[in-house]
Amino acid sequence: EVQLVESGGGVEQPGGSLRLSCAASGFTLDDYTIHWVRQTPGKGLEWVSLINGDGGVTLYADSVRGRFTISRDNSKNSLYLQMKTLGIEDTALYYCATENSSGYFQHWGQGTLVTVSS
Amino acid sequence: QSVLTQPPSASGAPGQRVTISCSGSSSNIGTNTLHWYQQPPRTAPKVLIYRNTQRPSGVPDRFSGSKSGTSASLAISGLQSEDEADYYCATWDDSLDGWVFGGGTKLTVL
Repeated sequence: EVQLVESGGGVEQPGGSLRLSCAASGFTLDDYTIHWVRQTPGKGLEWVSLINGDGGVTLYADSVRGRFTISRDNSKNSLYLQMKTLGIEDTALYYCATENSSGYFQHWGQGTLVTVSS
Repeated sequence: QSVLTQPPSASGAPGQRVTISCSGSSSNIGTNTLHWYQQPPRTAPKVLIYRNTQRPSGVPDRFSGSKSGTSASLAISGLQSEDEADYYCATWDDSLDGWVFGGGTKLTVL
């Protein structure tokens, strides 16, 4: 069964850091471009970042560029999001998702909740 | 404010047809293919329509997509109670060099 499981969320103070992980099972992650997408509680979806199969291409939304770093370890079939200088606006449910050959987000995890609060 | 504009809500009675619009610009919908996602309460989104008009296997043909210029629409016919969900359009934006989503439309089946 294809599965993505995010972890690493929690409560952090403004200015703090968190590292999210996304573990894949049932398929080989390095065949895919992987994305982080977040959803503010009760609100819409916002794309955060992507990394291609070999990790050579990374892109970020303007709202997180310079603060977040996406990476992957294909040997561990895992994806990561290092988040620094967190602000209240970063409070959201963070999903990882695979992009398939037709260009859409095919597999999604269940999300991990990040709460930034003093 | 989202780059892609959707109505915040839509509704219809069981059996009726509902359409949800998604409006963008030449740097996103006007140039790139668009996808629609369905998100029932407390679950992750799943793709409903990809590449403007294509349905993944398992998605009923009650769901259809169209695109013209810088706008797109999702149509749902024969509305059912299980169609109650949030619906999002998404595409790549060449100017932003990133993916953009619509603000989402909450569909209520009356």
